[in-house]
Amino acid sequence: SQELEQSPQSLIVQEGKNLTINCTSSKTLYGLYWYKQKYGEGLIFLMMLQKGGEEKSHEKITAKLDEKKQQSSLHITASQPSHAGIYLCGADKSGTYKYIFGTGTRLKVLA
Amino acid sequence: DTEVTQTPKHLVMGMTNKKSLKCEQHMGHRAMYWYKQKAKKPPELMFVYSYEKLSINESVPSRFSPECPNSSLLNLHLHALQPEDSALYLCASSQTRGNTIYFGEGSWLTVV
Repeated sequence: SQELEQSPQSLIVQEGKNLTINCTSSKTLYGLYWYKQKYGEGLIFLMMLQKGGEEKSHEKITAKLDEKKQQSSLHITASQPSHAGIYLCGADKSGTYKYIFGTGTRLKVLA
Repeated sequence: DTEVTQTPKHLVMGMTNKKSLKCEQHMGHRAMYWYKQKAKKPPELMFVYSYEKLSINESVPSRFSPECPNSSLLNLHLHALQPEDSALYLCASSQTRGNTIYFGEGSWLTVV
């Protein structure tokens, strides 16, 4: 069964708008990763969060991990068409090599 | 640019063929992974090699056979596949467990 739930499943925004994608786990996460994927291509690593309450930013993308380490959000400020793609959260399941992924959020940015 | 290189990018094979997917990384990572991804689904873990030993096999059918010749290379041997095995196969690597995993660009496999 899927252990990482993402919302929304898809998102269409006008260029310049802000948006947020959420990732929720039923269990405490050891590490939470955000990736971006263009259709038919590999996953591009964006950011990793490990500590409760941690927040990281890169260019116009900010990711946060809540204090309980069960929920993360990815926020894009002033979206651009280049932000379009599929965003996946991933987690290191129980500190093993079993990395699992969320259901994905498909983002389209209209110019 | 990804530092995990996968070949070929596209592969079409018949159900009686034997083919291989190849993956290479030069980041000094000691863990390497094979994932399978179907359309509109997240990647699903197939195999993990840690320090060149098979660490995890997620109950993958024996028609998929992984091989790790050395710490930089990972192969996936394919034999007698079914059309439902058509998917994007992703290779990844990490320093060890608990570290970020980095993906290659994937190999599109079509079984006819």
